[in-house]
Amino acid sequence: GEDVEQSLFLSVREGDSSVINCTYTDSSSTYLYWYKQEPGAGLQLLTYIFSNMDMKQDQRLTVLLNKKDKHLSLRIADTQTGDSAIYFCAERSSNTGKLIFGQGTTLQVKP
Amino acid sequence: DTAVSQTPKYLVTQMGNDKSIKCEQNLGHDTMYWYKQDSKKFLKIMFSYNNKELIINETVPNRFSPKSPDKAHLNLHINSLELGDSAVYFCASSQWAGGLAERGPYEQYFGPGTRLTVT
Repeated sequence: GEDVEQSLFLSVREGDSSVINCTYTDSSSTYLYWYKQEPGAGLQLLTYIFSNMDMKQDQRLTVLLNKKDKHLSLRIADTQTGDSAIYFCAERSSNTGKLIFGQGTTLQVKP
Repeated sequence: DTAVSQTPKYLVTQMGNDKSIKCEQNLGHDTMYWYKQDSKKFLKIMFSYNNKELIINETVPNRFSPKSPDKAHLNLHINSLELGDSAVYFCASSQWAGGLAERGPYEQYFGPGTRLTVT
């Protein structure tokens, strides 16, 4: 089946690194995504990773993928108060193209 | 120059009414989606259309009827609204990403959401 799990809450201090974790079940997923949702707003695509990669870096964001364990993580370096939001990981179904989202991780950044 | 737009942003209505939410994208995409986000922020796909053809219908009650007059528009009509329909509804679009010939990330771009409150 298709299922994506995330921890619900993470609190960090400004300037620290944040690591948000995600596990998924569909081993045939070829792309995995991270989205950010600020209060009252829609979802903003942050980054994605192809399943044959194990790492992707984009400025302050680092995505790590362990395909064997079906584990995905998003590291945000030098976390700022503006990073406070809900972060969703998602896998894309290889046959329908639909996105299956995790429950979202609320990131709280304390000054 | 909004990429994916939805109207209205807020919709408050009474049980039993019929309402519509409109979505438009100017990205030239051929696939559009409706997602529902509940009060716990859980996000789940409802429908997907590719080139005006329904390709995903995720066991949504038939009170919900999507309509795609053209590739750039996907509207959601809801009949006989119930309290449990209260949620935020998001429209999204992408290039076609399904099928066996999957060649790219085909990112989905989301609209700002429509908060529906049924009283």
